[in-house]
Amino acid sequence: SAVISQKPSRDICQRGTSLTIQCQVDSQVTMMFWYRQQPGQSLTLIATANQGSEATYESGFVIDKFPISRPNLTFSTLTVSNMSPEDSSIYLCSVVRDNYEQYFGPGTRLTVT
Amino acid sequence: AQKVTQAQTEISVVEKEDVTLDCVYETRDTTYYLFWYKQPPSGELVFLIRRNSFDEQNEISGRYSWNFQKSTSSFNFTITASQVVDSAVYFCALFQRDTDKLIFGTGTRLQVFP
Repeated sequence: SAVISQKPSRDICQRGTSLTIQCQVDSQVTMMFWYRQQPGQSLTLIATANQGSEATYESGFVIDKFPISRPNLTFSTLTVSNMSPEDSSIYLCSVVRDNYEQYFGPGTRLTVT
Repeated sequence: AQKVTQAQTEISVVEKEDVTLDCVYETRDTTYYLFWYKQPPSGELVFLIRRNSFDEQNEISGRYSWNFQKSTSSFNFTITASQVVDSAVYFCALFQRDTDKLIFGTGTRLQVFP
C-alpha cells in the first residue's frame, strides 16, 4: 500500500482567493495524480504530476486555474486559483504502485463562500 | 471507449441482509485491471480489491466477495451479512495501462440500517 497525507484536511475560503493543497507520500513514486470530487459526484482526474516536467492536464482543466508543482518524487502541490463556489469539492491526490494499485490521500474538503 | 457503469445509484438494506453492487465495464484492452473502492462519510477513498483481466477466479475476503465475469464484462461486489459500518459510497474503476489512469464509475451509495 502507500501512506499518503494531505494538508489541509479541510478549509473554507472566500471567493477570489487561492488555496494550495499539499500531498506527501511515504516513498518515491513516478506519477502522482490530482482528482476533484464535486458534491455527490464521482471522481474526475484533474492532472497527472510528473517529477521534472510540466503536469499533464485533462480536458476542462487548465494550468492557470490549477497550477501544480512536483519538486521531488514524494511531494506535490495543487493550487486552486481565483476560487468560486463551483470549486467547492473534495480534492484528492493519488499514486500508482508497481502492481497497478492506486492509493489515495485522505482528501482536502474545500468550501468556497 | 473505456467506460465503467454502476447502474445502482443508491441501495438501502437492513443490517444482516446480503447486498450486491453491480459494475459493468467497457474496454478495448485485452489486459486490464478492475478495482473497487469504498468511500465512507469521512471522504477518504479506501482500496478494497484489484482484479486482473486474466484471472477470473472469484475472490472472498471475510464478508466481501467479488464475482468477475469476462463474458458479461461485469465485476460485481457482494457484502454478506451487511453491517451499519458498511454504509458508504462504493466505486468500481477500470485501470488504463497505457496512461496509468483510473476510470471511475458513478458510484453506488449503500445505506445499511440497524
